[in-house]
Amino acid sequence: AQRVTQPEKLLSVFKGAPVELKCNYSYSGSPELFWYVQYSRQRLQLLLRHISRESIKGFTADLNKGETSFHLKKPFAQEEDSAMYYCALFTGFQKLVFGTGTRLLVSP
Amino acid sequence: DTEVTQTPKHLVMGMTNKKSLKCEQHMGHRAMYWYKQKAKKPPELMFVYSYEKLSINESVPSRFSPECPNSSLLNLHLHALQPEDSALYLCASSHGGTSGRGSYEQYFGPGTRLTVT
Repeated sequence: AQRVTQPEKLLSVFKGAPVELKCNYSYSGSPELFWYVQYSRQRLQLLLRHISRESIKGFTADLNKGETSFHLKKPFAQEEDSAMYYCALFTGFQKLVFGTGTRLLVSP
Repeated sequence: DTEVTQTPKHLVMGMTNKKSLKCEQHMGHRAMYWYKQKAKKPPELMFVYSYEKLSINESVPSRFSPECPNSSLLNLHLHALQPEDSALYLCASSHGGTSGRGSYEQYFGPGTRLTVT
């Protein structure tokens, strides 16, 4: 089955603390994975794609095929990082499967 | 133009009304999508158009009727909706190719907040 699991509904940290949002996937082929972010009252935006191995707004995510994970990390959280984060798996045939999302709350 | 636009932003309709949601992109993308998003939930795929042809219908009730007049436009016609259809309706687009970097990335519009009374 093609599935994305985000085990934490809410992650609350203080400003400056490290952040790790967990994402595990189930997929038989070679996965294409993404992180999307939805700030309050804004559109869903693409944050990261695993294939480019880039860092956006200080966030990074590494694909670990052995652990079937694609965790999102940032060493020092900022208040403006507070948002809903979705991990998504491209399953072919133009379909994206989203995880249930993790709300990140960064307090001052 | 690198955005997906959607109109209207908000829509309130009765259960006997007929209305339409509109989506537009000018990025040359050849795949377009409709999603439904309930509060605090991930987007749920409804329909996919690829090269202006309906390629995926995720068993959506017939009271939702998609239409793709051309490669830049996507409509969702609504008729006889139920209160449980109240949600944020998102449009997205992607390059639409079957391979190559960036083919699968989807870009989302701001959504239409629909309330059915």
